[in-house]
Amino acid sequence: TQLLEQSPQFLSIQEGENLTVYCNSSSVFSSLQWYRQEPGEGPVLLVTVVTGGEVKKLKRLTFQFGDARKDSSLHITAAQPGDTGLYLCAGAHSNSGYALNFGKGTSLLVTP
Amino acid sequence: KAGVTQTPRYLIKTRGQQVTLSCSPISGHRSVSWYQQTPGQGLQFLFEYFSETQRNKGNFPGRFSGRQFSNSRSEMNVSTLELGDSALYLCASSAQLAGGKSSYEQYFGPGTRLTVT
Repeated sequence: TQLLEQSPQFLSIQEGENLTVYCNSSSVFSSLQWYRQEPGEGPVLLVTVVTGGEVKKLKRLTFQFGDARKDSSLHITAAQPGDTGLYLCAGAHSNSGYALNFGKGTSLLVTP
Repeated sequence: KAGVTQTPRYLIKTRGQQVTLSCSPISGHRSVSWYQQTPGQGLQFLFEYFSETQRNKGNFPGRFSGRQFSNSRSEMNVSTLELGDSALYLCASSAQLAGGKSSYEQYFGPGTRLTVT
């Protein structure tokens, strides 16, 4: 059972477009993280959100944690080809130690 | 600081064999976690070690085991390999926060691509 559902699964857009990726769950998380993974490499941590309603910005990327700490979104403004990759959200429960529950990811392709 | 390193990067084994994968965490990180990544299931948690003790375990059969050494390096072993064990095996390490807790933020190595034929 996948605790975290990500949508869309695949996204193909042109350079300069905006996009939003969603990460939803019925579980409450102590913290939620977003990673980006490129082919042949391990996931790279982008951001961690811990407070309900929290919004974090990383250059053109905006991350939001839902008020109830069950869902999150990632918004990319003016996407660039370098943003291409697999975006993964991962949630941590305080009562399950340090085991992260990952969504299956959103595969993003940005074409010039 | 050097990142998380994993060896080997690629491995081809035959059904029924066993395999050992190695992971060296970021210097100073004492928590090491292992994940299996497949196209169908995505990333799934295998287990986590801290100070040579298994602290958490995912829902995998007993054929999957691991250990951690005093220098925080970790190994995972898969015995009696099955075709379905073909996957990217990822190791991640975490730092200690003030107060002794490990951070939830994990830093991943490049993975070991295991193919079972």
